[in-house]
Amino acid sequence: LAKTTQPISMDSYEGQEVNITCSHNNIATNDYITWYQQFPSQGPRFIIQGYKTKVTNEVASLFIPADRKSSTLSLPRVSLSDTAVYYCLVGDMGPGGYNKLIFGAGTRLAVHP
Amino acid sequence: DGGITQSPKYLFRKEGQNVTLSCEQNLNHDAMYWYRQDPGQGLRLIYYSQIVNDFQKGDIAEGYSVSREKKESFPLTVTSAQKNPTAFYLCASSSSTGNTEAFFGQGTRLTVV
Repeated sequence: LAKTTQPISMDSYEGQEVNITCSHNNIATNDYITWYQQFPSQGPRFIIQGYKTKVTNEVASLFIPADRKSSTLSLPRVSLSDTAVYYCLVGDMGPGGYNKLIFGAGTRLAVHP
Repeated sequence: DGGITQSPKYLFRKEGQNVTLSCEQNLNHDAMYWYRQDPGQGLRLIYYSQIVNDFQKGDIAEGYSVSREKKESFPLTVTSAQKNPTAFYLCASSSSTGNTEAFFGQGTRLTVV
């Protein structure tokens, strides 16, 4: 089972900022938090990854509070092309200490004109 | 170009036949993963491998088999024992154990009739 909880869906309008929050109450000390974007009939695409505080790249920002039990993906000024499913992942160690990369249901973001 | 390649993009098979999906990467990644995605659902982990000649079952391994004879290749066989094999199959790779930044192929859509 995924170790994260996200809203099932969100709606926004073009030009607005969108914040998607993910809960990961049982995050381990060594775990990073990683976000992916998936368009229909395509493989997920890595967006951003962070460990604590704030990370920013050309696509998004990731905010992580001090307790690291949640994180927020921020998409500035969304466009119609940002309509996609967004997944939040943390580490999930399987047998032998290997990371299993477990995806949850994700958040379906719909951007409207 | 470096990347991860899945083939074919579309595959049709008759019920009762085994079918093998190809996944090749030239990223020199140690870890490789197979996922299944059903319409409107998230990704479910089938098998994963962290090194050559070693692989682990994911959450839904029944009816599937894999091999990892070469670092670059991680083929998935959907056997006749898989009760509902029609789905979108995604392969991914990441550089090492514990790295949750993964790269995905474009997927294979398998239809069993």
